[in-house]
Amino acid sequence: DVVVTQSPLSLPVTLGQPASISCTSSQSLLHSDGNTYLSWFQQRPGQAPRRLVYKVSNRDSGVPDRFSGSGSGTDFTLEISRVEAEDVGVYYCMQATHWPHYNFGQGTKLEIK
Amino acid sequence: QVHLQQSGPGLVKPSQTLSLTCAISGDSVSNDRIAWNWIRQSPSRGLEWLGRTYYRSGWKNDYTISLRGRIVVNPDTSKNQFSLQLSSVTPEDTAVYYCARDPGHSVDVWGQGTLVTVSS
Repeated sequence: DVVVTQSPLSLPVTLGQPASISCTSSQSLLHSDGNTYLSWFQQRPGQAPRRLVYKVSNRDSGVPDRFSGSGSGTDFTLEISRVEAEDVGVYYCMQATHWPHYNFGQGTKLEIK
Repeated sequence: QVHLQQSGPGLVKPSQTLSLTCAISGDSVSNDRIAWNWIRQSPSRGLEWLGRTYYRSGWKNDYTISLRGRIVVNPDTSKNQFSLQLSSVTPEDTAVYYCARDPGHSVDVWGQGTLVTVSS
């Protein structure tokens, strides 16, 4: 089974400062169709997860452009250029290359210092 | 805009069957470009994909290996919804359960979540 590992698990950030979350897969996420199916989700307290990014770097509609995804193969990153108060929550990466099973990272809790 | 509305009991007794339903608006359970998933979340297991149903020239299912034999995900075309049944539950099945839409190797729309507690 594919194992997806995130770091750090806790991320205290000062308002206006950048933040970076790493996601590493135990197997390459490059699919035979040429796509890499790595998504990022934000979960605010008491809410369902919300997708921010799909296929490594494609932002969903309505997602602020301070969020950006990058990476390839087994190593991926979600960056927030300037953290705002509304960004508090837990962030998850998810691999969907190795169908039919999807695997999530453990989550990274972002809080304001 | 696609919306998923979950329903079902929040308390299930050990050894009984957990049953949840996810009503779809803004899309069709029979859409042959979409898969309809169940995912759960607990402090001990994190986010865990459970299974899905989808139509590709016939109805198909995939299930996580750890629950195979206990889980069934079914479509209901007459009501445009799909369901989750998890049998022989134990307290380890206590979690928030989500239904979710997969437009192709991702998950883009989630239901509101249902906390299911397994307890006598």
